[in-house]
Amino acid sequence: QQQVKQSPQSLIVQKGGISIINCAYENTAFDYFPWYQQFPGKGPALLIAIRPDVSEKKEGRFTISFNKSAKQFSLHIMDSQPGDSATYFCAALFGGYQKVTFGTGTKLQVIP
Amino acid sequence: ETGVTQSPTHLIKTRGQQVTLRCSSQSGHNTVSWYQQALGQGPQFIFQYYREEENGRGNFPPRFSGLQFPNYSSELNVNALELDDSALYLCASSLPGLQDTEAFFGQGTRLTVV
Repeated sequence: QQQVKQSPQSLIVQKGGISIINCAYENTAFDYFPWYQQFPGKGPALLIAIRPDVSEKKEGRFTISFNKSAKQFSLHIMDSQPGDSATYFCAALFGGYQKVTFGTGTKLQVIP
Repeated sequence: ETGVTQSPTHLIKTRGQQVTLRCSSQSGHNTVSWYQQALGQGPQFIFQYYREEENGRGNFPPRFSGLQFPNYSSELNVNALELDDSALYLCASSLPGLQDTEAFFGQGTRLTVV
């Protein structure tokens, strides 16, 4: 079964701190790993994505770390801000087929 | 904001009724996928349409059906509604290809079945 397991379920971080969310997958056919950010009442929005031939990708305060051998990847949010408070979903999909398999989500709260 | 629009934004239906949800894809995107997101859960893939043909289906019963039109807009139809069908229904559009696999989501239709 194509599963993506995500942890933690919820996370509270102080403003300026680092938020870390972890995901693990089973299907080695996955070749694209996006992270989505979702605010209440909105659809998921693409945040950052990585392919398995790269071990790290950084965009601004957001970094994905990817460990192909362990089948794990993580999202790091540096200098977390209250505006980052949202639910984050890791996801996986494979080659040209647009079905996105989502993780279970992490509700992030950044407190002042 | 993505270019994906969904209608209506909210809907209340009675158990046993039928519902149609609509999605307009982002300009140039020929693939539309539908997802069901129950409260507190990640979205679950229902099915995908590519050039008006169903191109993959998740673990949903046949009473969930869809259509894609020549302009790539799409409909999701659910027959014989059950209470468990209450969820946020998301539409995502994309353009298949190795270098462009992002799926852009609309804001969803909140369906409540009573």
